[in-house]
Amino acid sequence: DSGVTQTPKHLITATGQRVTLRCSPRSGDLSVYWYQQSLDQGLQFLIQYYNGEERAKGNILERFSAQQFPDLHSELNLSSLELGDSALYFCASSVGVYTGELFFGEGSRLTVL
Amino acid sequence: GESVGLHLPTLSVQEGDNSIINCAYSNSASDYFIWYKQESGKGPQFIIDIRSNMDKRQGQRVTVLLNKTVKHLSLQIAATQPGDSAVYFCAEGYSTLTFGKGTMLLVSP
Repeated sequence: DSGVTQTPKHLITATGQRVTLRCSPRSGDLSVYWYQQSLDQGLQFLIQYYNGEERAKGNILERFSAQQFPDLHSELNLSSLELGDSALYFCASSVGVYTGELFFGEGSRLTVL
Repeated sequence: GESVGLHLPTLSVQEGDNSIINCAYSNSASDYFIWYKQESGKGPQFIIDIRSNMDKRQGQRVTVLLNKTVKHLSLQIAATQPGDSAVYFCAEGYSTLTFGKGTMLLVSP
C-alpha cells in the first residue's frame, strides 16, 4: 500500500461526458502528480502540483484540468470525453519536487464508450 | 522529443535465475534514472535510482548499471522469484518522469 488513495477505481462513461478523478496523497506529501497510462502511449506525465500551485505541465490536453486543494487532495477533471481518453489515470505523490521516488496510487480506470 | 526506451518487451526466466532488463535513453543530458516495477492491477512502485555520476548502484537483490557512453542502463535482479513477475519501467528525470515502454518479466517456478 503506497498510501496514495484514488477514487473511483473504475469508471465507465460515454463520449462527450465529463468526469472527475480524485486523489489523496500520502500523509505529509506536498507534491501531487497525474499520469496517464494507455497501451499506445505508455505512462505519460500530465501535470504536477506542489502545495496547491501548479508546478509543471506535461502532455495534458486542454479538455483536461486539475487542481490541488488546501488539504492537498487533488482532482483531475476530464471533459468532452473521447474514445481515446480511455486509459488508466494514476495519481502519485512525493514529499518534495525534485525526486524520482514517487508513490503511485492504484489508478482509476476510465472507459469511454 | 527525448525518449527512454526498452530493448525487450518480454523476458521469461526460471525461478532462481538472475534477470537483466535493459533500457536505452536518447538524451545525453539526462543525469538521473529510476527503475519502477508495476504489478498487475497496481500502480508503479519505485525500485532503485542512479545518478549519472555513478555507474553502478546496488539495492536488495537489485543492481542498476549505467553506461553513459552508449546511453544504456540495466536492472539486474538476483535470484529471481515468482513475486518479481511484473512490468519493469526505466524512467528519466526528476518528478516529471519520462517512462520507457516497459518490459514484462515472467518468472516460472
